[in-house]
Amino acid sequence: EVQLVESGGGLVQPGGSLRLSCAASGFTFSSYWMSWVRQAPGKGLEWVANIKQDGSEKYYVDSVKGRFTISRDNAKNSLYLQMNSLRAEDTAVYYCARDIVATIYSRYFDLWGRGTLVTVSS
Amino acid sequence: SYELTQPLSVSVALGQTARITCGGNNIGSKNVHWYQQKPGQAPVLVIYRDSNRPSGIPERFSGSNSGNTATLTISRAQAGDEADYYCQVWDSSSVFGGGTKLTVL
Repeated sequence: EVQLVESGGGLVQPGGSLRLSCAASGFTFSSYWMSWVRQAPGKGLEWVANIKQDGSEKYYVDSVKGRFTISRDNAKNSLYLQMNSLRAEDTAVYYCARDIVATIYSRYFDLWGRGTLVTVSS
Repeated sequence: SYELTQPLSVSVALGQTARITCGGNNIGSKNVHWYQQKPGQAPVLVIYRDSNRPSGIPERFSGSNSGNTATLTISRAQAGDEADYYCQVWDSSSVFGGGTKLTVL
């Protein structure tokens, strides 16, 4: 079965760190860009970061630059998000998503995990 | 940065046609993608590249895009179509609309 399964969420204090993982199965993980997308409670979707197939290119939304690091291990079919210096506004469900590059001007997400909740609070 | 505007809510009678709009500056020059999200669930892609349906998405779902508005159309609306719907484009990064809650009456 083609699926993505996130793990690693939880409660963390402001300024703390957390590492999210996403296990991919049922498809050739190393052939796809991958992304993290988050959703704050009761709010909309926000793209957070993405990474190229071989990990050579990584991009981030401005609000997490310098604090979050996206990485992948193609041998383990896994995607990661290292989150440091966490803030209350980082509280959200974090989704792992398969990133389809249709053209250089068109990208979308055709497969999503169920998400993992990160709560930043003292 | 590019912005997408969606109505907060849309209501439709059971069996009728719902139209959810997504506004953006010259959005017709971009590819628009649509996601359905039911409560407590992950988003699901329902339309990609303006008007294409992924495998498994009913033909009742269709999309169009022109000028400053893209539209997701749901024909013969069913109770199971109640959900939040998000549009998305690529503009140096992925941008999502704020989402529209569809209520089927």
